[in-house]
Amino acid sequence: SQQGEEDPQALSIQEGENATMNCSYKTSINNLQWYRQNSGRGLVHLILIRSNEREKHSGRLRVTLDTSKKSSSLLITASRAADTASYFCATVFSGNTPLVFGKGTRLSVIA
Amino acid sequence: DTAVSQTPKYLVTQMGNDKSIKCEQNLGHDTMYWYKQDSKKFLKIMFSYNNKELIINETVPNRFSPKSPDKAHLNLHINSLELGDSAVYFCASSPADRGLRGYTFGSGTRLTVV
Repeated sequence: SQQGEEDPQALSIQEGENATMNCSYKTSINNLQWYRQNSGRGLVHLILIRSNEREKHSGRLRVTLDTSKKSSSLLITASRAADTASYFCATVFSGNTPLVFGKGTRLSVIA
Repeated sequence: DTAVSQTPKYLVTQMGNDKSIKCEQNLGHDTMYWYKQDSKKFLKIMFSYNNKELIINETVPNRFSPKSPDKAHLNLHINSLELGDSAVYFCASSPADRGLRGYTFGSGTRLTVV
């Protein structure tokens, strides 16, 4: 099945640093979404970027999308210990297909 | 108020048993989903369902069946549980235009089959 692939699988940074996670996918998409999952919890929707958009911001989050390379990146600026979580990208191929998730990046922010 | 709630949060059961996981959403969403997250954190769609259409991932064994008494509920029934069914199961919901907006997830049900 089609899915995104996040890179890196795990990332450890100091508080205050920026964290960048990448996602690649295989076929054309309608939109790409990023989710956060804290340990033992459900997923929380962070941001959605449509296929005709190249960059989107939400607070300390910046998402880019390059449809020619079939890739996206999530940047978290000025990271905090509370940002420690797993981050997943998920793609939608058409309006009627469910989200397909990648394998996630595990981010650890050390205080 | 909890938007998508699942019960139970934890479920430990023996092989061969039949069990159900309940899911309710109070968002007025039209579509609900079940995802399975394995030990490597990989999330896989199992079902998506709205009033008109049930879409089943063809890789899901027919021991798994969704049951929806109404638009706000989508329960997951599992027959003849196997060790490999151990995982965390997430319910989610979205507005009528499915993947065109973000999903709201429940907090998950950790199923352990012994």
